[in-house]
Amino acid sequence: SQKIEQNSEALNIQEGKTATLTCNYTNYSPAYLQWYRQDPGRGPVFLLLIRENEKEKRKERLKVTFDTTLKQSLFHITASQPADSATYLCALPNTGFQKLVFGTGTRLLVSP
Amino acid sequence: DAGVIQSPRHEVTEMGQEVTLRCKPISGHNSLFWYRQTMMRGLELLIYFNNNVPIDDSGMPEDRFSAKMPNASFSTLKIQPSEPRDSAVYFCASSLSTTEAFFGQGTRLTVV
Repeated sequence: SQKIEQNSEALNIQEGKTATLTCNYTNYSPAYLQWYRQDPGRGPVFLLLIRENEKEKRKERLKVTFDTTLKQSLFHITASQPADSATYLCALPNTGFQKLVFGTGTRLLVSP
Repeated sequence: DAGVIQSPRHEVTEMGQEVTLRCKPISGHNSLFWYRQTMMRGLELLIYFNNNVPIDDSGMPEDRFSAKMPNASFSTLKIQPSEPRDSAVYFCASSLSTTEAFFGQGTRLTVV
């Protein structure tokens, strides 16, 4: 069955360091992968989309990589700030591209 | 545009009662999704509409759940009768052709 796995344990890092979050998937061949941010009490907010033919994508302090051989995406936040503390979710379209399926998310805590 | 609007924000109801959640998607978006989020199961897709037509309702947990989209600017998710295990945060999201999804603020449902 199709599965999207994200580390369920919270990631604690110090301000200024680079945070790296992982998204692994099985039994998918997605045309693209998305990353969202979710703050407590709010809905997820779209951050980045990376397509299968793109190895890497950047947006300000964010960088996403997509390795279709390893079936993995890495999400990096450089020069992290306490305001980056949130839960980060990856999402993939299902085989028919009609459904967007989410991982369970990883909580990031950035300490000052 | 005000974004995806959901109502109510919070709903507390007694077991056995009917609950109706409402969603107004972003104008011009042709895809609408209902998700349910719990600590245990994360963000689960319940049903997906495209151009007001239900495309995939395989995520709807059982017959007690039903969803409608009578026009492009309104959708409802109904639970009848409600049960305590239905307690969760329900999100509505809309998008243009299933790429970036825009989420509402969610409805926190508590069934006692």
